[in-house]
Amino acid sequence: AQSVTQPDIHITVSEGASLELRCNYSYGATPYLFWYVQSPGQGLQLLLKYFSGDTLVQGIKGFEAEFKRSQSSFNLRKPSVHWSDAAEYFCAVYNNNDMRFGAGTRLTVKP
Amino acid sequence: EAQVTQNPRYLITVTGKKLTVTCSQNMNHEYMSWYRQDPGLGLRQIYYSMNVEVTDKGDVPEGYKVSRKEKRNFPLILESPSPNQTSLYFCASNPVSGSYNEQFFGPGTRLTVL
Repeated sequence: AQSVTQPDIHITVSEGASLELRCNYSYGATPYLFWYVQSPGQGLQLLLKYFSGDTLVQGIKGFEAEFKRSQSSFNLRKPSVHWSDAAEYFCAVYNNNDMRFGAGTRLTVKP
Repeated sequence: EAQVTQNPRYLITVTGKKLTVTCSQNMNHEYMSWYRQDPGLGLRQIYYSMNVEVTDKGDVPEGYKVSRKEKRNFPLILESPSPNQTSLYFCASNPVSGSYNEQFFGPGTRLTVL
């Protein structure tokens, strides 16, 4: 069965610093890959997705992610974090009607 | 406005008292699903539906029922809730069954079973 691993439960960065959130998946073929963000008390909002083609995908709010097939990874990045980016981030994998989420990474932003 | 709505948003109940959480989408999506979110576990799929009268189990279906009598509605039913079903529940829909686009999530229902 496919699985998604987000190795970092909690990350703290200073405002203005760069950010990278890690995501690894376990699946034979290349699934559809997603990053979602959940602000406190809110539902999930899609940041970006990868289906095929260019392995560097741009999303909303200045986020990007890079798909690396050899590493089965889909890491999320942002060059300069804003205080409003504090939230929980979920990586997700979809294939054949099976949608799986990672456990999430909580991002704290220091002033 | 295109959206997925859930009701109620918050619910406190007691063990064994049947409850239903409603989910409705106004985007004419074929595919709908229910998830529960628990700390450290992320979101886990409970049930999904590819179209009217077509439902299937996700990862954690035990203790839950669903129905899909209309395209827009996908209620989650807990016939006899237990404390281990205390969780945050999300309904989601996406436009095309069999392929995949963005999933739209409802605002969540926080359920506490005493």
